[in-house]
Amino acid sequence: GQQLNQSPQSMFIQEGEDVSMNCTSSSIFNTWLWYKQDPGEGPVLLIALYKAGELTSNGRLTAQFGITRKDSFLNISASIPSDVGIYFCAGRTASKLTFGTGTRLQVTL
Amino acid sequence: DGGITQSPKYLFRKEGQNVTLSCEQNLNHDAMYWYRQDPGQGLRLIYYSQIVNDFQKGDIAEGYSVSREKKESFPLTVTSAQKNPTAFYLCASSHDRGRSSYNSPLHFGNGTRLTVT
Repeated sequence: GQQLNQSPQSMFIQEGEDVSMNCTSSSIFNTWLWYKQDPGEGPVLLIALYKAGELTSNGRLTAQFGITRKDSFLNISASIPSDVGIYFCAGRTASKLTFGTGTRLQVTL
Repeated sequence: DGGITQSPKYLFRKEGQNVTLSCEQNLNHDAMYWYRQDPGQGLRLIYYSQIVNDFQKGDIAEGYSVSREKKESFPLTVTSAQKNPTAFYLCASSHDRGRSSYNSPLHFGNGTRLTVT
C-alpha cells in the first residue's frame, strides 16, 4: 500500500524557534493535509493543500504542496508552548487517505 | 455547534466480549470513517462509508463490523475476533459526495480509548 515517510519523528525546540517537518512518498497525491493532535484528543485540521506548488499559511503555520505531488512540508514560526503535540501529514488520492506516522513536537521555555 | 461526537471517552471490556463504539455527526457529511491509532503509529483505516446503507472495508477490517443506517451515525463494533483490540479509536467524517469530491478534508471526533483485559 501507499507509504508516507514523515520526519523527524520527534523534536525538542525552544520557545521562539522555527520548526520544519516534512512528508515524502513514492506515490502521487491529489491533496495534502496537515493535522495536529493533542494528547487524548482527535486530530484537528491545520492546513489543506489542493494543488501542486501551492503554498498556504494559517497564522504562524505555512505548508507547501510539492511540485512533484509526492511531498509536503509544514513550517511553524516562532513556536510557543501550546504548539506541543503530534503533527500528522496525510495524502489523499481518489480512493483513500494515507497518514504519516507523526512528528512529536515538544517546546521548552 | 456542528461536530463529531464519540462516546464513551474511555471504555473497558473483558476479553471475549463484543463492544460497540458510538459516532454521531451533525455536519451533514456524507462520508464517515473509523480509524485505529496505536502508540507511535499513524492512523489506520478500519471501515468507511460514503453513503447510508453502504460501507467498505479499510486496511484493517478483520475483527470489526459497522453499520450505516442513518447519515448521522456510524457505530463500530469491536468483536471478540479482533486479536488486539486495545487502542485509541477515531471516527471522522467528510463532505464527499461522489468521485468529484475526494478533496474534502476529514474532520475527527475526540476519540474513544478502548482497553480490553
